[in-house]
Amino acid sequence: AQSVTQLGSHVSVSEGALVLLRCNYSSSVPPYLFWYVQYPNQGLQLLLKYTSAATLVKGINGFEAEFKKSETSFHLTKPSAHMSDAAEYFCAVNYNFNKFYFGSGTKLNVKP
Amino acid sequence: DGGITQSPKYLFRKEGQNVTLSCEQNLNHDAMYWYRQDPGQGLRLIYYSQIVNDFQKGDIAEGYSVSREKKESFPLTVTSAQKNPTAFYLCASSTPPNTEAFFGQGTRLTVV
Repeated sequence: AQSVTQLGSHVSVSEGALVLLRCNYSSSVPPYLFWYVQYPNQGLQLLLKYTSAATLVKGINGFEAEFKKSETSFHLTKPSAHMSDAAEYFCAVNYNFNKFYFGSGTKLNVKP
Repeated sequence: DGGITQSPKYLFRKEGQNVTLSCEQNLNHDAMYWYRQDPGQGLRLIYYSQIVNDFQKGDIAEGYSVSREKKESFPLTVTSAQKNPTAFYLCASSTPPNTEAFFGQGTRLTVV
């Protein structure tokens, strides 16, 4: 079955520290990959997407992600965490254009 | 401004009653989706529609129904057959190729 796995339901970092949120997908065919952010009681906002162009993708708010086919991974990073980054993050894949599968989410806590 | 509008934001219903959640988009997107979100479970696909007058069941369609009579509208009815309807419901839309899903702000349904 096609799926996406996010390792770590909760991640806690100090303000100014590196943020690393992990995402792995299961497919022999490289999918289209996305990272979304969700603040409490709101919808999801796109951070960045990979659509088979450059493997290093830059998004909004200083986030970036690297597509690694050999590892079937698409981890999200940010060099320096800010308090406003505290939210829940979802990795998503799209294999056949119009069906999206989401990971279970990672809640990021940023400590002052 | 273009976007997706879900209404109402909060909805309370008594057990045994059907309830309809509204989703309207003015993005001219072909595809629309309904997801259910529960804590720690990510987003689970209820129904999706790739074109007007056509829709398909997602992973958790039991107890739900939809219609797609207009391109811009995709209402979701939560029926009394849904065993545990209390959840956060998200509507999204997209259009190929390879584009991301755009989300509404969600409707929090509480059944008492």
